[in-house]
Amino acid sequence: AQSVTQLDSHVSVSEGTPVLLRCNYSSSYSPSLFWYVQHPNKGLQLLLKYTSAATLVKGINGFEAEFKKSETSFHLTKPSAHMSDAAEYFCVVSDRITSYDKVIFGPGTSLSVIP
Amino acid sequence: GAVVSQHPSRVICKSGTSVKIECRSLDFQATTMFWYRQFPKQSLMLMATSNEGSKATYEQGVEKDKFLINHASLTLSTLTVTSAHPEDSSFYICSARGSPGGRGTDTQYFGPGTRLTVL
Repeated sequence: AQSVTQLDSHVSVSEGTPVLLRCNYSSSYSPSLFWYVQHPNKGLQLLLKYTSAATLVKGINGFEAEFKKSETSFHLTKPSAHMSDAAEYFCVVSDRITSYDKVIFGPGTSLSVIP
Repeated sequence: GAVVSQHPSRVICKSGTSVKIECRSLDFQATTMFWYRQFPKQSLMLMATSNEGSKATYEQGVEKDKFLINHASLTLSTLTVTSAHPEDSSFYICSARGSPGGRGTDTQYFGPGTRLTVL
């Protein structure tokens, strides 16, 4: 069975400092993994995705994530936080089961950026 | 880039009425569309998966007769909340899975969401 764990429900960083949002997953198959961002009262925006190619994935707005199969992790990082990064972040796992995707969202991590 | 639209973006209705939400993939064909529900400050919960031309597959605990899904074409799926009640008030998000331009692997593209308020 699939599951996604985001270890921190809330992360607070100072502007200009690194960001680390943690995600662990379980899957019976070879999953695709995604990070999405949701700003208040807005829809979802794809930050980056892993689909069995390079394990280090670079996304938009300076974010990147590394797929570590041995640790079943897909942590999201950014070297320097910006005020505009304050939002809700969701880690997502997707398995292709028969003819359709099974997509599971993590519970989300709320990122606050302190000026 | 690929765009998925939802209409309406916001709807307020009286208890007992039905509400239809449309989800369209604007520049690609989506054989599979998904409907999610999000409560305030919570994650997205998958409600159902719909494939064009066939019945939707509902997640456990989601009432099929309450949330009617129709995937009429490769670019349109609709969610109808029947006999809405205040507890149905939520943020409903659709996504469409496809490969714009036939390039690359299929990816899910999310709509902007529809906020439903039932009085």
